[in-house]
Order: sequence, then structure tokens, then C-alpha cells
Amino acid sequence: DTGVSQDPRHKITKRGQNVTFRCDPISEHNRLYWYRQTLGQGPEFLTYFQNEAQLEKSRLLSDRFSAERPKGSFSTLEIQRTEQGDSAMYLCASSFGQGESGYTFGSGTRLTVV
Amino acid sequence: AQSVTQLGSHVSVSEGALVLLRCNYSSSVPPYLFWYVQYPNQGLQLLLKYTSAATLVKGINGFEAEFKKSETSFHLTKPSAHMSDAAEYFCAVSEGAAGNKLTFGGGTRVLVKP
Repeated sequence: DTGVSQDPRHKITKRGQNVTFRCDPISEHNRLYWYRQTLGQGPEFLTYFQNEAQLEKSRLLSDRFSAERPKGSFSTLEIQRTEQGDSAMYLCASSFGQGESGYTFGSGTRLTVV
Repeated sequence: AQSVTQLGSHVSVSEGALVLLRCNYSSSVPPYLFWYVQYPNQGLQLLLKYTSAATLVKGINGFEAEFKKSETSFHLTKPSAHMSDAAEYFCAVSEGAAGNKLTFGGGTRVLVKP
């Protein structure tokens, strides 16, 4: 068990560019979550997958955001036409079942849009 | 809808003194409750969780929390603060056995004075 891995750790991009982040969950975890955290705030839910199915999306997830989890393993989060307001830490978490064993978080990807 | 309120965005304690971080939640179903700690530029680490077993929950690093249904609270305590406890702490709730995501409070930053 190597925990939840996120790549890259940091990303600086110019406004208007597209970015993609990757999350590798704990292998036996069937649920995978994406959260966004801005400075001084708690994480906010974006979306989650159960296996390969995307079961819920927050209204925070605008049309510029898309997430996938092909084959129910790793997941990608893509942001198109980035805006300065997208600058945040993007956290991935995974869990088994309904979270009774806890949710394990990755170290996050810090996005800076300049 | 579930929500979490953490009273006090900043708490300052002396080394060796009691740490008390307050968390109140709302949930329409029996909740699962969690405390996470976050160090600068890192992800979230689980301190402890309540999932409908014992109401007094012991976690890592000497922390514990008590679930009080009548008060809808899940306050976090540690008898004696250590310098390494300086971090940000987040309380989170999920919808228990029907849960699919965590909802976080705004966080409390702990400063430990020597």
C-alpha cells in the first residue's frame, strides 16, 4: 500500500491553457474523490467515482472541468481554458465502501494560473 | 444537507497546555465524523474517526474526540500540546452508511508557543 499518489505536485500555467492532473488511488479502494482547496479554506467537494462510474458532480465543477476514471483505476482531472480563479490545491482521496474506514488523501497538486 | 462549523479559525496554545478544537455538524442521517490534520503544502492526514461505535474516539499523536449527539458536536482535544502539533485541523462529516463524500469545516490553524 503506497497511499494515494498525485502528479504533478505543482503546476504553473498561463491563463487560457489546458491542464491535466492524475491521481492513483489505493489499489483496493473502489471510490475516488476530487476536492479543491483554496488558501485558508477547507477542501470543497468536486466529484467522485465508484469504480469507473462518475456518480456525483458538484456545481463547482463548471463545463471547463472534466474528470475520468477509465477502468476504475487511476483518475484524471482536466481543466480547459484555465482562469486565475482556478488557482488552488487539487486533492484526490480514495476510500473503500462508504468511507467507514476513512478517506485517504494524496499530497495534492498545487495549480497556479498566471 | 450536511455541514460543519469549526469555531475559531486560529487557536494559540502554550507548549504543554490543553488543545481544544471545536466542531459542530449538521446531518439529516447518522453521521460519520472525522478530524484531519494538514501541514503546509501537504495533503490531509486522518487523525481519528467516529463511525457509530464508541462515542469517545482515540486517534494518533495523543488526540481524542467525543461524539455528542445531543449537542451535534465532535470536539478534538489533546491534553498536552507539542510544538509538532502546529498545523491546520479540519473537521469533516459524511452521511454515515449512506455517505458518498466528505463535507469539511473551514479549518482551525493551531499555533504552539514555546
